[in-house]
Amino acid sequence: EDKVVQSPLSLVVHEGDTVTLNCSYEVTNFRSLLWYKQEKKAPTFLFMLTSSGIEKKSGRLSSILDKKELFSILNITATQTGDSAVYLCAPRADAGNMLTFGGGTRLMVKP
Amino acid sequence: NAGVTQTPKFQVLKTGQSMTLQCAQDMNHEYMSWYRQDPGMGLRLIHYSVGAGITDQGEVPNGYNVSRSTTEDFPLRLLSAAPSQTSVYFCASSSGTIQVTEAFFGQGTRLTVV
Repeated sequence: EDKVVQSPLSLVVHEGDTVTLNCSYEVTNFRSLLWYKQEKKAPTFLFMLTSSGIEKKSGRLSSILDKKELFSILNITATQTGDSAVYLCAPRADAGNMLTFGGGTRLMVKP
Repeated sequence: NAGVTQTPKFQVLKTGQSMTLQCAQDMNHEYMSWYRQDPGMGLRLIHYSVGAGITDQGEVPNGYNVSRSTTEDFPLRLLSAAPSQTSVYFCASSSGTIQVTEAFFGQGTRLTVV
């Protein structure tokens, strides 16, 4: 059975702090791993990672995948209150192109 | 661009009632799926489809039916609503097998079964 574990479950930081969110997975026929940010409504796409060791960056956010150790991390530097959200990681398997979601990390950034 | 459109946004049902959640996408995506999201549990896959006429069960299919008569539409039917089906439902679509891309989500349907 596919399994995705995100940690920590929740996190409270102050603006300007740097945070690291973790995602470990066990997925049969792994193809890629996606990170999403969810505020009040639908998840919005952040990154898709397919290769180990190649960092993807978008502004203050970056992410990297380790396919040998089966985990990914999402870093956010110089956090802002607008970063407050639930961050979801979702490995994708070959079969059916479906995503298996972790339970998410709830990040709260205080002013 | 419409993307993935879900209707309704909110719904209250009585136990035992049936209803259909609608999902439509205008991106010609092959893959469509339904998830439910409950507090602290991420999104769990209910049913999915890899193309018109093809559907399969996900992680939590009981109590739900789907069909995919066209590429664009993927309705989710609740046959006899139960309070355990109170949740937020998301429809998602994504394209092909060769180039893996992001999944696009609808805005969700908040369903309450009383």
